[in-house]
Order: sequence, then C-alpha cells, then structure tokens
Amino acid sequence: AQSVTQPDIHITVSEGASLELRCNYSYGATPYLFWYVQSPGQGLQLLLKYFSGDTLVQGIKGFEAEFKRSQSSFNLRKPSVHWSDAAEYFCAVGRQAGTALIFGKGTTLSVSS
Amino acid sequence: EPEVTQTPSHQVTQMGQEVILRCVPISNHLYFYWYRQILGQKVEFLVSFYNNEISEKSEIFDDQFSVERPDGSNFTLKIRSTKLEDSAMYFCASSTPYEQYFGPGTRLTVT
Repeated sequence: AQSVTQPDIHITVSEGASLELRCNYSYGATPYLFWYVQSPGQGLQLLLKYFSGDTLVQGIKGFEAEFKRSQSSFNLRKPSVHWSDAAEYFCAVGRQAGTALIFGKGTTLSVSS
Repeated sequence: EPEVTQTPSHQVTQMGQEVILRCVPISNHLYFYWYRQILGQKVEFLVSFYNNEISEKSEIFDDQFSVERPDGSNFTLKIRSTKLEDSAMYFCASSTPYEQYFGPGTRLTVT
C-alpha cells in the first residue's frame, strides 16, 4: 500500500532564509507526486507535480522539488522564504492519473521576521 | 482561471440528518473526487468518479455515503444519516486526469 511520510510536523524559518520540507513515500513503482499548500481556512492549492522525466520540477511561487528514486523522496525547496509562505504543506502520492491521492500528515511552516 | 467551487461553505446539521454537499468541477475535467479532513488531521480520500460511476472508494466511504453527478456541471456528496464523527472539512477535486484541483471545501459540523 502507498504511504507518505512528512517527518517534520512544524518548521520555523526566518524570512529570506532557504527552506526544505521533507517527504518520503512508499510505493513499488514510480508514483505521481504532488505538493499542495493550505493556508488557514482555505482549500488545497497545487504547488507542483512530478510524473516522469526531469527529476527537478519547478512550481508556482518560486518552489521546486526534487524526486530521488533511490531515497524514495520528493523534498520541497525554496531559496528565499517570504512571510506569505507561512501555511501548511502537504505531500501527496498517486498510483496513476485519475486515482486517489494519499496525503502525508503535513508540515506547518512558520516564518519569523 | 477556472476553479472548483463548493457550496455551502459551512453546513451545520443535527446527528441523524441527511446532508448534501455540492461541487462544481472545472468544466473540461473528467475525473471527480471527494476528500475529507478532520480538524487537525490529514486529508483523506473518500471516493473518485469517472464516466458516471464510482471508480474507486476508500473504507471510509460506506453505505451512508453516496455520490451523484445529477447534471453536466454538478457533483454531489450525500451523507444519509450524519454522525458526530462526520464533522470535517469536505473537499471536492477534479482532474483531467493528471493534476487534481481542489475546491475551497465545505465545513460540516454535526451536533
């Protein structure tokens, strides 16, 4: 069965500092991988996705993620965090297009000034 | 930019009552989904719908739940007899099938 682990429940980063949010997945084949962001009281916004090809993918709001098959990881990065990036971030995995997404428990990002 | 919409944004109901949550998916999308998020917990898959039938469902999606696409635009989730533990944020999503786009959610409170 698929599963997603986000080891960090809460991370605090200074504004302007770099960010890396960790995501590990368990799945036999190459999964479809996603990062979503949820601001308080809001829905889930798709940041970026990986299906195949180049293992470094670019998303919206200056985020990128790297798929590492050997580590079963899909970590999210941003070189310089802005206060507006404070939110909850979810990593998700799907078996194939059109199927259920399995979400991690999320990482709450706080940004300090 | 097209988006998924959901109504109502907040629904309060008494235990045992039926509720219908409504969603309007993005117009050219073919796959539709319902997820829920209990407060403080992770997002959980309920059901997916394609070609006018359920394509996949989770253990959560028991006989109390049903989905319907009554017309060309709406996608509904019905809970027949609500329980306290059904209190959650319910998200609708749609996809082409690749990226799933989520609506803003309906907060269901069962009292």
